[in-house]
Amino acid sequence: EVQLLESGGGLVQPGGSLRLSCAASGFTFSTYAMSWVRQAPGKGLEWISILSHTGTNTYAADSVKGRFTISRDNAKNTLYLQMNSLRVEDTARYYCAKERVATVLGYYFDSWGQGAQVTVSS
Amino acid sequence: EIVLTQSPATLSLSPGERATLSCRASQSVSNFVAWYQQKPDQAPRLLIYDASKRATGIPARFSGSGSGTDFTLTISSLEPEDFAVYYCQQRSNWPLTFGGGTKVEI
Repeated sequence: EVQLLESGGGLVQPGGSLRLSCAASGFTFSTYAMSWVRQAPGKGLEWISILSHTGTNTYAADSVKGRFTISRDNAKNTLYLQMNSLRVEDTARYYCAKERVATVLGYYFDSWGQGAQVTVSS
Repeated sequence: EIVLTQSPATLSLSPGERATLSCRASQSVSNFVAWYQQKPDQAPRLLIYDASKRATGIPARFSGSGSGTDFTLTISSLEPEDFAVYYCQQRSNWPLTFGGGTKVEI
């Protein structure tokens, strides 16, 4: 059974930093691209970044480019999201999500974690 | 950026009724559309991909159709567990984008 477990969320002041982790199990992590998707309170879903299975190709939404960095450690089956220069509008639940098809980039998300809450407030 | 517009925002129906949800893209996305279901305090679940293919384990009452700019998710006969929010998503162009959601309520 695929399991994705996010951690590292919390309360941070505007301008601060936070690093989220997503521990994966139940599948061959090193063969799947992974994404981060967020959801502001009471709002819809917003895709923010994706990383290929090898870690060599990445895309990000304009809203986080230059501030957020996605990375992975295939030896540890873990996905990361380094978030810098956080803004109030980054307040959301952050989900890691697995690609449906192995070794491809930018398809669909067939497994999701339960999310990590990030609150940016002074 | 491709904008996905979902309608209606809210659909009020009873168990056993048919639900028809719409997703319109601001430009053609071929058939590269997925549908997700999200219940309160839960992560989204993939229902349909490539416009009409059911994901693993999804009941046959869920079906998808469309191509180009207009897509439809149909739930043939609503079960109590189907009352939720539904999102469409496109993978035709970067950035990947989601629609604003349709809430199916009792």
